[in-house]
Amino acid sequence: DSGVTQTPKHLITATGQRVTLRCSPRSGDLSVYWYQQSLDQGLQFLIQYYNGEERAKGNILERFSAQQFPDLHSELNLSSLELGDSALYFCASSVEETRDTQYFGPGTRLTVL
Amino acid sequence: AQKVTQAQTEISVVEKEDVTLDCVYETRDTTYYLFWYKQPPSGELVFLIRRNSFDEQNEISGRYSWNFQKSTSSFNFTITASQVVDSAVYFCALGGNNDMRFGAGTRLTVKP
Repeated sequence: DSGVTQTPKHLITATGQRVTLRCSPRSGDLSVYWYQQSLDQGLQFLIQYYNGEERAKGNILERFSAQQFPDLHSELNLSSLELGDSALYFCASSVEETRDTQYFGPGTRLTVL
Repeated sequence: AQKVTQAQTEISVVEKEDVTLDCVYETRDTTYYLFWYKQPPSGELVFLIRRNSFDEQNEISGRYSWNFQKSTSSFNFTITASQVVDSAVYFCALGGNNDMRFGAGTRLTVKP
């Protein structure tokens, strides 16, 4: 158990819908990272937050947004969902903002029908 | 543009063999990080190592070792005396100030 929790574990929804994925980092970790893993695109880095502020932005679509709250949990919002958004979404956390040792959550599997 | 190439799609070895996973990267950044991650059949991701571009020292952690060569833009990963539990997909990644790119992964199968 990495100490990083993600909810829900599975999510099935329809095209055009909006969903929110939640991540709680390990106690004491200030950085939260979001990654997407799909068959088509492989593993992709989406976005990083450090202590509530956006620190790095990767291949995140405009339809996607994220935030980190004062209690350091993070939410990834996916809107206007398309079939191609079906993927495993991982959250990770680390103490520092420089992508040091990261601890991953179990992932949320999103299926868009 | 940043790019990571893991040319070996799949590798199969017998237990106790040594195995090296190759990773070649491209970047114009002078400061960057290199990473290796492991994804066992259970699906979770496990962070293995982060290496700063200024630190070319090789690293050893138990049966794992990493060889960083800036001259050839490579960051190879060797498992010594492989074990069945090493069976997984291994990803190499390159991170700059902002973005991060992953290789396609190498699936390692260690047979008993």
